[in-house]
Amino acid sequence: EDKVVQSPLSLVVHEGDTVTLNCSYEVTNFRSLLWYKQEKKAPTFLFMLTSSGIEKKSGRLSSILDKKELFSILNITATQTGDSAIYLCAAWKLSGTYKYIFGTGTRLKVLA
Amino acid sequence: SQTIHQWPATLVQPVGSPLSLECTVEGTSNPNLYWYRQAAGRGLQLLFYSIGIDQISSEVPQNLSASRPQDRQFILSSKKLLLSDSGFYLCAWSKTPGRVNSPLHFGNGTRLTVT
Repeated sequence: EDKVVQSPLSLVVHEGDTVTLNCSYEVTNFRSLLWYKQEKKAPTFLFMLTSSGIEKKSGRLSSILDKKELFSILNITATQTGDSAIYLCAAWKLSGTYKYIFGTGTRLKVLA
Repeated sequence: SQTIHQWPATLVQPVGSPLSLECTVEGTSNPNLYWYRQAAGRGLQLLFYSIGIDQISSEVPQNLSASRPQDRQFILSSKKLLLSDSGFYLCAWSKTPGRVNSPLHFGNGTRLTVT
């Protein structure tokens, strides 16, 4: 059975800290790994990773995929209170049709 | 640019009542469409996905059903709601994958409370 596991489930840090969120996957016909940030309503897209070892960056956020060890990490440096959210990762698989399988999410709270 | 509309934003329904949630996508054609449910503060469970009109796959056996009467319209329904149907329902779309990878884009969700 396909599964995506995120850790930790929740995390509390102070502004300025650096955090690393983890996502491991066991998915047949894996194609890409996606990261989303969810505050109040709709998850918003952060990154899509398809190739192993290539870091993607957007401001203070960065992410990388390891297709050999089947995991990805999302780093946030110099955290701000606005980074408080649930961070979701999803594995995109090809299976005749196209499915995105989500992990349980990591709830990040950044204290001022 | 593409947009996705989902309504209503919130809904309170009694047990045993019917349900209809609607989602439409603008600015693209032949999208893949998805319904997810999210338990309080947690990850997303895929309920249904559709690659075309009247082509719907169900992921979780339950009392919910989905229909796609038009290319960019996706409807989630139930004839009789259960308490366990409460949750946050998200509609999403992606481009039909080809040579270009396509992320999933979400609507703003419907918070359903069954009382």
